[in-house]
Amino acid sequence: EVQLVESGGGLVQPGASLKLSCVASGFTFSDYWMSWVRQTPGKTMEWIGDIKYDGSYTNYAPSLKNRFTISRDNAKSTLYLQMSNVRSEDTATYYCTRDGPGKDYWGQGVMVTVSS
Amino acid sequence: DIQMTQSPASLSASLGETVTIECRASEDIYNGLAWYQQKPGKSPQLLIYNANSLHTGVPSRFSGSGSGTQYSLKINSLQSEDVASYFCQQYYDYPYTFGAGTKLELK
Repeated sequence: EVQLVESGGGLVQPGASLKLSCVASGFTFSDYWMSWVRQTPGKTMEWIGDIKYDGSYTNYAPSLKNRFTISRDNAKSTLYLQMSNVRSEDTATYYCTRDGPGKDYWGQGVMVTVSS
Repeated sequence: DIQMTQSPASLSASLGETVTIECRASEDIYNGLAWYQQKPGKSPQLLIYNANSLHTGVPSRFSGSGSGTQYSLKINSLQSEDVASYFCQQYYDYPYTFGAGTKLELK
């Protein structure tokens, strides 16, 4: 059974950094592109970016490219999202997804709240 | 960026009814479109990919169609478990973009 389990969310102050993790199981992690998607409290879905199966290539939403970094550790079957200089508008539920085509599996999501 | 305009924003329908949700892309996305269902408090789930291919395990009452800039999701014989929000997403070109969603309720 494919499982994606995110962690690392919580309450964080504006300007701080945060690293989310997503542990994958039930499939060969190193065979798949993976992505991060977020959903705002108002339910708007926003694609954050993705990473190639071997970690050699990433794509990002232009508005987030300078602050967010996606990486992966295939030996640990883990996807990461490093968030820096967070802002109130980064408050959302963050999902990791398995890709291709479409996002065929989603994690349960992890909430990030940016507030002082 | 490719803009995805999804309609309607909300929809009320009766059990057994046929429902159609539409997404219009701001440019041709060459069938690079997926539809997702999100039930309250749950993660989204893939229904349709490549505009018209049914994801494994999805009931056959769900279908996708369209081409170019116009796409639709049809739900035949609406069931109570179909109450959810539905999103389209284009993956033809970066950055990938989502529609604003359609909230489907029972009448």
